[in-house]
Amino acid sequence: ETGVTQTPRHLVMGMTNKKSLKCEQHLGHNAMYWYKQSAKKPLELMFVYNFKEQTENNSVPSRFSPECPNSSHLFLHLHTLQPEDSALYLCASSQEPVNQPQHFGDGTRLSIL
Amino acid sequence: RKEVEQDPGPFNVPEGATVAFNCTYSNSASQSFFWYRQDCRKEPKLLMSVYSSGNEDGRFTAQLNRASQYISLLIRDSKLSDSATYLCVVPFYGGATNKLIFGTGTLLAVQP
Repeated sequence: ETGVTQTPRHLVMGMTNKKSLKCEQHLGHNAMYWYKQSAKKPLELMFVYNFKEQTENNSVPSRFSPECPNSSHLFLHLHTLQPEDSALYLCASSQEPVNQPQHFGDGTRLSIL
Repeated sequence: RKEVEQDPGPFNVPEGATVAFNCTYSNSASQSFFWYRQDCRKEPKLLMSVYSSGNEDGRFTAQLNRASQYISLLIRDSKLSDSATYLCVVPFYGGATNKLIFGTGTLLAVQP
């Protein structure tokens, strides 16, 4: 399924590096999300964008910076991350209202050295 | 009560068995519910949507009990390929922000 595409699939970076995760959805949805999933832990919602406007920032540290240039693209800019930030980062999209399901990308597996 | 609560399992069942998972939720205003399946190190994938009292799709049946605020997922004739974590998902209506709340998941291991 190529409805939601994330790149890269894997990323290894040092704590001083700057990198970006990219997400693109081809489903015509108007809401996009970033989630973090650490090993053996549930999904943690990070950011929500609805019609390109950020509607949720779930107390995420400023070293994570989202960008949503349009309703089809979502970025997560990373800088000076910590080892505990190593996790699977998942992008999802949905059609509002909230009663609609979300569709996920394959995720980016991030490792911080 | 937690927003969404699931028994983490694991549920170890033999092939061909019938297994059921329950999920309780706290927000009585929730109108729709979802079950997702997540394989190890993969993304969650939508399994079923539940918009009224229940839904059935082949070997999978989801039921909703609004009075007791729980939803269940029944899997009949379990296959080895059903082994995964099953996530219960409930909408949250928070005024300015509405979102989906994911449960911690129930791990199912189907044994040969």
